[in-house]
Amino acid sequence: EDQVTQSPEALRLQEGESSSLNCSYTVSGLRGLFWYRQDPGKGPEFLFTLYSAGEEKEKERLKATLTKKESFLHITAPKPEDSATYLCAVSSGDTGRRALTFGSGTRLQVQP
Amino acid sequence: KAGVTQTPRYLIKTRGQQVTLSCSPISGHRSVSWYQQTPGQGLQFLFEYFSETQRNKGNFPGRFSGRQFSNSRSEMNVSTLELGDSALYLCASSSGAKETQYFGPGTRLLVL
Repeated sequence: EDQVTQSPEALRLQEGESSSLNCSYTVSGLRGLFWYRQDPGKGPEFLFTLYSAGEEKEKERLKATLTKKESFLHITAPKPEDSATYLCAVSSGDTGRRALTFGSGTRLQVQP
Repeated sequence: KAGVTQTPRYLIKTRGQQVTLSCSPISGHRSVSWYQQTPGQGLQFLFEYFSETQRNKGNFPGRFSGRQFSNSRSEMNVSTLELGDSALYLCASSSGAKETQYFGPGTRLLVL
């Protein structure tokens, strides 16, 4: 059974204070690891897809990295508008390509 | 390109009733997946449809069902509603080639 664990559960940062969110996973045959951002009352917004260990993706202040056991979402010089819940999900050969297993998320609050 | 749309956005039902939720995927996307999001269980996969066929199913009772039409639009139905079915129901679509799923805004269901 696929498992995804995200840490920390909640994180409070000052504007400009860089940090990293962790997503550790256990799957049988990783097909893809996905990062989403979710604002209260809204659907998850796609950020990145990573397919193999060593892969990195960047978008504005965010950078996602992947190893064989975990992924990190690095946030550089965050702004208040980066406040949201960040979700990590995996798809594997076991559950099928479109059946994502999600972690419980990291609630990020960036204070001005 | 328009995103995933879901209707209705909010719904209030009573125990024992049934409900039908609708999802229109991004134009050209043929795969539609459904997820349930609750504070206690997080995001959980319900089922996936591709070319009008259910391709994968999560661990939910038979009261939860779905279908997909020839234009890729999808509906999910929940019969004999229980209080525990109160949740945000999310639909996601993806193209045949890429595994990344794009989510709609969700339907908030409250069962009284």
